[in-house]
Amino acid sequence: SQTIHQWPATLVQPVGSPLSLECTVEGTSNPNLYWYRQAAGRGLQLLFYSVGIGQISSEVPQNLSASRPQDRQFILSSKKLLLSDSGFYLCASTPAGRTDTQYFGPGTRLTVL
Amino acid sequence: SQQGEEDPQALSIQEGENATMNCSYKTSINNLQWYRQNSGRGLVHLILIRSNEREKHSGRLRVTLDTSKKSSSLLITASRAADTASYFCAPSNTGGFKTIFGAGTRLFVKA
Repeated sequence: SQTIHQWPATLVQPVGSPLSLECTVEGTSNPNLYWYRQAAGRGLQLLFYSVGIGQISSEVPQNLSASRPQDRQFILSSKKLLLSDSGFYLCASTPAGRTDTQYFGPGTRLTVL
Repeated sequence: SQQGEEDPQALSIQEGENATMNCSYKTSINNLQWYRQNSGRGLVHLILIRSNEREKHSGRLRVTLDTSKKSSSLLITASRAADTASYFCAPSNTGGFKTIFGAGTRLFVKA
């Protein structure tokens, strides 16, 4: 099975500040990688997914961006945070070419003030 | 890719009772998964049922799938306070590698 690491666990940032959340994966090669955002008490919103290094697909227009500089590293960024960017950010991974089981990281709680 | 829709949105039961959650989807699938999310944590994969299966068991979990009705149900028997969590279904079809999660069912088990 895979292990997903995310950091930081919690983050409080002022409006207009930059953001960088990192996700790394162990236990697999060439995984599909995903960033989700979850508002309090709600479901998961798919933000970005990647099927390979440098390949990023965006699901929702926003001021966030994602990058995949290495096979098992996925980064979520913003140049200027908005209040609406607050939420719980989850990174997930599936084995290459498969869509059955997603492995999730522990998440990052982001509060924008 | 497609989205599952869970029902009910919230469920409150006593410890020892059974909990049933339902999931509906719109197009054909090749498998359907259920996940659990404890408050403030990531999702954990519980069970996967393939389109050619009608029922699957794992411990106190029982999942059924009715492809003709495009629906699935998750039954948790003899619930415990530790089962308190949100539960999500995730239908998956061939060729898609995106999983779209619904809003989930929030289960609260009272001790």
